[in-house]
Amino acid sequence: DADVTQTPRNRITKTGKRIMLECSQTKGHDRMYWYRQDPGLGLRLIYYSFDVKDINKGEISDGYSVSRQAQAKFSLSLESAIPNQTALYFCATSDPRTGVAEQYFGPGTRLTVT
Amino acid sequence: RKEVEQDPGPFNVPEGATVAFNCTYSNSASQSFFWYRQDCRKEPKLLMSVYSSGNEDGRFTAQLNRASQYISLLIRDSKLSDSATYLCVVNGPQAGTALIFGKGTTLSVSS
Repeated sequence: DADVTQTPRNRITKTGKRIMLECSQTKGHDRMYWYRQDPGLGLRLIYYSFDVKDINKGEISDGYSVSRQAQAKFSLSLESAIPNQTALYFCATSDPRTGVAEQYFGPGTRLTVT
Repeated sequence: RKEVEQDPGPFNVPEGATVAFNCTYSNSASQSFFWYRQDCRKEPKLLMSVYSSGNEDGRFTAQLNRASQYISLLIRDSKLSDSATYLCVVNGPQAGTALIFGKGTTLSVSS
């Protein structure tokens, strides 16, 4: 079984809808991250969490919110989806005991907002 | 200057070729450097860390030049399976913050 899972893997939604992307991990890592990837723009950090009580905005947090329900779960919400939020979304985890070094990514969620 | 810059490519090379990718970073305080590999529509995965003394892992060699704020990745004897996008990654400007990813360099190895 994959260590970092994301649901759904693909989603098409309409403008204005609320959508939640979920991430679960079995690696026991405290740190979790949400990124979006757009062609030509690379990976950009949306939010990150260093433990259950810690939530931090990343480079592009506007229009997004997150919830760290447990050590193993980190959800990303789009309160009112808009077409320019169409992108590939990745969740990642890391172990602070090894520094920020290696991040383990989930398989991604491909979101299309029409 | 962008935080992490890479030549996007694509680099199209035949099998067996040697290819080098370069990356520059803007924050002189950065302490950690990596190369990640991303296959088409897949998640990025760590290829190797980059150390000040340079490091090698099989056909892959990474080097760091702190004075020039420059990182390189050399791939020798390219294989078809090396075709992917290679991401240069640097730690953020503040301690404990997340990584900053370059936009990636695409490599296509042909037979």
